[in-house]
Amino acid sequence: DGGITQSPKYLFRKEGQNVTLSCEQNLNHDAMYWYRQDPGQGLRLIYYSQIVNDFQKGDIAEGYSVSREKKESFPLTVTSAQKNPTAFYLCASRGTSSAPYNEQFFGPGTRLTVL
Amino acid sequence: DAKTTQPTSMDCAEGRAANLPCNHSTISGNEYVYWYRQIHSQGPQYIIHGLKNNETNEMASLIITEDRKSSTLILPHATLRDTAVYYCIVRALHNAGNMLTFGGGTRLMVKP
Repeated sequence: DGGITQSPKYLFRKEGQNVTLSCEQNLNHDAMYWYRQDPGQGLRLIYYSQIVNDFQKGDIAEGYSVSREKKESFPLTVTSAQKNPTAFYLCASRGTSSAPYNEQFFGPGTRLTVL
Repeated sequence: DAKTTQPTSMDCAEGRAANLPCNHSTISGNEYVYWYRQIHSQGPQYIIHGLKNNETNEMASLIITEDRKSSTLILPHATLRDTAVYYCIVRALHNAGNMLTFGGGTRLMVKP
């Protein structure tokens, strides 16, 4: 089945450690996105990538890094510089063939808890 | 992109229609109205979108006022599985990265 997978669903890390969240899609989508969601809040954009080997900062990129070496993969690293990393992280992708409509497909999310 | 205003929460009886309002008084002529929903601890799911005409699909109907300053998402026969946070998003046809800006949304509780 086509879709977006994020792993793991739950992740625990000690404070000061870097951690990488996985996002893979087999939808052949060009654009991919990372969002952060805090309890009771909406989604905030961290980074996005419209094409392989290119990515742009979103609204809250500080303390995060990404790479886009393959079309299918857009991993997010939460670094020790991120002050409040505990949150629910969501990955999404969008195919340019759906333009001008903006239907983003979301993964199931990774809940990161930093102890 | 235009800002949207939604009620924080709403209740609906199972089997009845759920009408979720959204105000977007500063919407521009080239901006679309999108609706997504997020069931607890899952990723958001696209529901429907529209420009100025009313739209209907298998999930819901979207009613946009003639002046486009507000819209209503209608779930015709709400079920318990429709309990979720519903996000109304307005975005331009072309913005850098084709990004969506999510606000707080409306928490819909469908009750038996």
